[in-house]
Amino acid sequence: KAGVTQTPRYLIKTRGQQVTLSCSPISGHRSVSWYQQTPGQGLQFLFEYFSETQRNKGNFPGRFSGRQFSNSRSEMNVSTLELGDSALYLCASSLGVSEQFFGPGTRLTVL
Amino acid sequence: GESVGLHLPTLSVQEGDNSIINCAYSNSASDYFIWYKQESGKGPQFIIDIRSNMDKRQGQRVTVLLNKTVKHLSLQIAATQPGDSAVYFCAENIRGGNQFYFGTGTSLTVIP
Repeated sequence: KAGVTQTPRYLIKTRGQQVTLSCSPISGHRSVSWYQQTPGQGLQFLFEYFSETQRNKGNFPGRFSGRQFSNSRSEMNVSTLELGDSALYLCASSLGVSEQFFGPGTRLTVL
Repeated sequence: GESVGLHLPTLSVQEGDNSIINCAYSNSASDYFIWYKQESGKGPQFIIDIRSNMDKRQGQRVTVLLNKTVKHLSLQIAATQPGDSAVYFCAENIRGGNQFYFGTGTSLTVIP
């Protein structure tokens, strides 16, 4: 069974731009969660989608948004990028409230 | 926000010794915990989980202990190997959805 895939793996953007990251969960997994990982703040929960609906949301500004498609693939979007948005963005999929399987992440650098 | 903290940011052990990584959590309503291992350049990898109705759970070379009285979680790795060198995170689930709060991580270095 293929694991969680994330694209792109690396991304460089400048302040003010927007970015869209993609995540394909493990086949059959309907829950997709997104996390931001930085050296200073660690792993922080962004949001979770289940069956195309946002089920949980972390404490991030409205510039961070996401969506999930009918095939469970998910995208997250960050608008008006700031330097502090530089981070590793991780996607995780699961069947329910259970073991989460993480992808390799997308490394975003904002210049 | 919720607080899931680790007592030690770094830990060095000799190959073959046992390792113990600790984690303190703050919310007594937490009912599900996961330990993850993260190697450089990779996403976190599931190691073992435990639900609040248990005190101990064992896997292959790993054991998780949960003390709900003092809100403490530990991961024990038996016969630590060089491949165990990584950052270890505990994660706490509170509200029943898939929203996990992660600790800051402990960097484990195994000395050959």
